[in-house]
Amino acid sequence: KNEVEQSPQNLTAQEGEFITINCSYSVGISALHWLQQHPGGGIVSLFMLSSGKKKHGRLIATINIQEKHSSLHITASHPRDSAVYICAVSPGNQFYFGTGTSLTVIP
Amino acid sequence: DVKVTQSSRYLVKRTGEKVFLECVQDMDHENMFWYRQDPGLGLRLIYFSYDVKMKEKGDIPEGYSVSREKKERFSLILESASTNQTSMYLCASRKRGRGGYTGELFFGEGSRLTVL
Repeated sequence: KNEVEQSPQNLTAQEGEFITINCSYSVGISALHWLQQHPGGGIVSLFMLSSGKKKHGRLIATINIQEKHSSLHITASHPRDSAVYICAVSPGNQFYFGTGTSLTVIP
Repeated sequence: DVKVTQSSRYLVKRTGEKVFLECVQDMDHENMFWYRQDPGLGLRLIYFSYDVKMKEKGDIPEGYSVSREKKERFSLILESASTNQTSMYLCASRKRGRGGYTGELFFGEGSRLTVL
């Protein structure tokens, strides 16, 4: 069973495009996390949110608790945004992770 | 700057060897986690620790053990490495949640283990 589903699995975009990555989950949660992993690199936390919307630079994350759905948007995408984006939810002490969305932004 | 440090970025070991992977965090976090990451499978929890000397099995604990003698250090041990344990191992930590609060998760850079 997959508590967290992400779509799409792979995404290729032209530089400057607006990008959306979706995450649906099936468990009750206290927070949802968006993580970023560059090739060969560690994982960094982009957002932690439990309601509404958060913005950091060109990144925007939204969550709809009733629908159990979150989106990560990237405005004016850039090749340095190329990475794997992972959605994670935490109903308690542990985390459930999506399998990630691999994003490639072409110059 | 907060930091989770893993002892080795790359290791190559032989089948049957004992392997130690160490993780140290400098944020005074109560919760620490060991995950393995494999293509197509995402992150899978091996063990986690919610405080010193406390540990709980995750989804795939077989073949692994852990040690948490000090708050800042969480070690993963492979008693007898096997080829199917070739993987990327990631350590993470976070502040313990209270009243439903979930702390932000901080990851180390990862340790890529190859077992021959």
